[in-house]
Amino acid sequence: GAGVSQSPRYKVAKRGQDVALRCDPISGHVSLFWYQQALGQGPEFLTYFQNEAQLDKSGLPSDRFFAERPEGSVSTLKIQRTQQEDSAVYLCASSLRDRTYEQYFGPGTRLTVT
Amino acid sequence: GDSVTQMEGPVTLSEEAFLTINCTYTATGYPSLFWYVQYPGEGLQLLLKATKADDKGSNKGFEATYRKETTSFHLEKGSVQVSDSAVYFCALSEADSNYQLIWGAGTKLIIKP
Repeated sequence: GAGVSQSPRYKVAKRGQDVALRCDPISGHVSLFWYQQALGQGPEFLTYFQNEAQLDKSGLPSDRFFAERPEGSVSTLKIQRTQQEDSAVYLCASSLRDRTYEQYFGPGTRLTVT
Repeated sequence: GDSVTQMEGPVTLSEEAFLTINCTYTATGYPSLFWYVQYPGEGLQLLLKATKADDKGSNKGFEATYRKETTSFHLEKGSVQVSDSAVYFCALSEADSNYQLIWGAGTKLIIKP
């Protein structure tokens, strides 16, 4: 079946621009996670949704980062006034139930801020 | 806070060699432990997992045993292939943190024919 998809796969933004990154989780998956992966590093947690509720946003690095999942399916991560340090791969993962351990990852969106 | 430390890469081996990638962790509770793999140009895939002490996760010839006494989850494979070349990530998750994954920095594995 279809896996987690993310779009765009690559995004180049000029410093100061706003960007929106989309995640389509596996159908029926309750939990959705966003991670940020800097070059040569492991991913770092950004935020977590259970259905449409954002239960944890402790990993968002600043108030320029905002995520939503209004209907409990597709999620959007928005970054306002992008900075060079925002350059990274943004990963989305979904899991079937709120207490399952196995997360399925999308291919990521590589954001480059120039 | 919780953390994961894994051996730095790259690790370069010849085909059919024995592989060990070390992973140790610190955690406040009783985490589940994972190995994920990222093949070139692809997304992260779960390779194996273990949810309690002394459990052994295994998949595709890879194994790792959850060792609570040494807080370790080392990845092993008896005979590697060129197709195993990838980046391997050790990770943990805990119920207290909504099961978010906490990751090591990754180990790049290069297998030469």
